Amino acid sequence: NAGVTQTPKFRVLKTGQSMTLLCAQDMNHEYMYWYRQDPGMGLRLIHYSVGEGTTAKGEVPDGYNVSRLKKQNFLLGLESAAPSQTSVYFCASSPIFSGNTIYFGEGSWLTVV
Amino acid sequence: QKEVEQDPGPLSVPEGAIVSLNCTYSNSAFQYFMWYRQYSRKGPELLMYTYSSGNKEDGRFTAQVDKSSKYISLFIRDSQPSDSATYLCSLTGNQFYFGTGTSLTVIP
Repeated sequence: NAGVTQTPKFRVLKTGQSMTLLCAQDMNHEYMYWYRQDPGMGLRLIHYSVGEGTTAKGEVPDGYNVSRLKKQNFLLGLESAAPSQTSVYFCASSPIFSGNTIYFGEGSWLTVV
Repeated sequence: QKEVEQDPGPLSVPEGAIVSLNCTYSNSAFQYFMWYRQYSRKGPELLMYTYSSGNKEDGRFTAQVDKSSKYISLFIRDSQPSDSATYLCSLTGNQFYFGTGTSLTVIP
């Protein structure tokens, strides 16, 4: 059982390049999230989706865009990467928006040079 | 003020020790109280959750919630090297809130 799958796992970008992180979940969850995790900052919510075709801003949305064209997929895009976006990115999904559990992917390590 | 505060550690203990991990929170409306374990280079995974004051036990792990003090704890008995990880507390209100994580190393 795959759960939440993220690709790619590692990526190095040059400043100004663009890329897309892909997230897929096979649990039929309505809610999906993108977080970034930085030392001393913990997990910070970038964007989230409450269902297919919907997206909403989280705590740190600037510099990122998202799309949820299919229920099982949630894409995170960086249009013009900056060194400040060097981080570990986690996709997550949950059956309930404010419930008792949220399932995370394995993470995507992004370095912007 | 952050919604959730967690001591980042790091914490280093000998194998077999009792470990206490703690978080404080500010919003009395939080409904669910959870602990996640995150191994190096992996995503967080749910360890335990509770929704009321008191203790909840699962094997060597005990989650404790004190709503009057806005304080949650995770106790690990007979700690093992395999428990070495970062532990994140998480609370649910109108969204998921996470502590910054406490890094734990259990030395054989």
